[in-house]
Amino acid sequence: DGGITQSPKYLFRKEGQNVTLSCEQNLNHDAMYWYRQDPGQGLRLIYYSQIVNDFQKGDIAEGYSVSREKKESFPLTVTSAQKNPTAFYLCASSRVGDSSNQPQHFGDGTRLSIL
Amino acid sequence: RKEVEQDPGPFNVPEGATVAFNCTYSNSASQSFFWYRQDCRKEPKLLMSVYSSGNEDGRFTAQLNRASQYISLLIRDSKLSDSATYLCVVNIAGNTGFQKLVFGTGTRLLVSP
Repeated sequence: DGGITQSPKYLFRKEGQNVTLSCEQNLNHDAMYWYRQDPGQGLRLIYYSQIVNDFQKGDIAEGYSVSREKKESFPLTVTSAQKNPTAFYLCASSRVGDSSNQPQHFGDGTRLSIL
Repeated sequence: RKEVEQDPGPFNVPEGATVAFNCTYSNSASQSFFWYRQDCRKEPKLLMSVYSSGNEDGRFTAQLNRASQYISLLIRDSKLSDSATYLCVVNIAGNTGFQKLVFGTGTRLLVSP
């Protein structure tokens, strides 16, 4: 089945450590996105990419980095500069068409906690 | 003012009831609108897109009022399985073919036997 796979499901980070969250999709979507969700808050956009080898900062990019070397893959690195990384991280993808009414489809998320 | 505002609820309703959620958005240039459903500790899943003329999918009806900048979701004949958080989502990127989605914080629905 086509879909978006995020791994790992749970991740623990030690202070000063960088960690990388994986996101892979086989939907042949051009656009991919990373969000974080905190309790009681809406999803907030970290980074997005419309095409391979190109990505843009979202609303809360500080302390994060991404790469888009393949269409299928959009890994997110949470660096030691991100002082409050504990959150639920969601990866999404969508088609980029001639209409803005293309829904985003989500992976099942990674829960990151601080040790 | 938040870009997308929703009543957090919870809305407690009995099975079989009809319940409606509203959502307001601030960016008048917004082009597309969605309702997503999110179960506890799970990812959001698309429930339905919202079209200007209103649209229906089974027990679910979505309406858009561009003049007043609000979106509604009506659920008829509520089922226990409808218990979830419903996210109002607005694309503020304009009609570019790309999406910049803004998510509401969600309205929680609890359907009881």
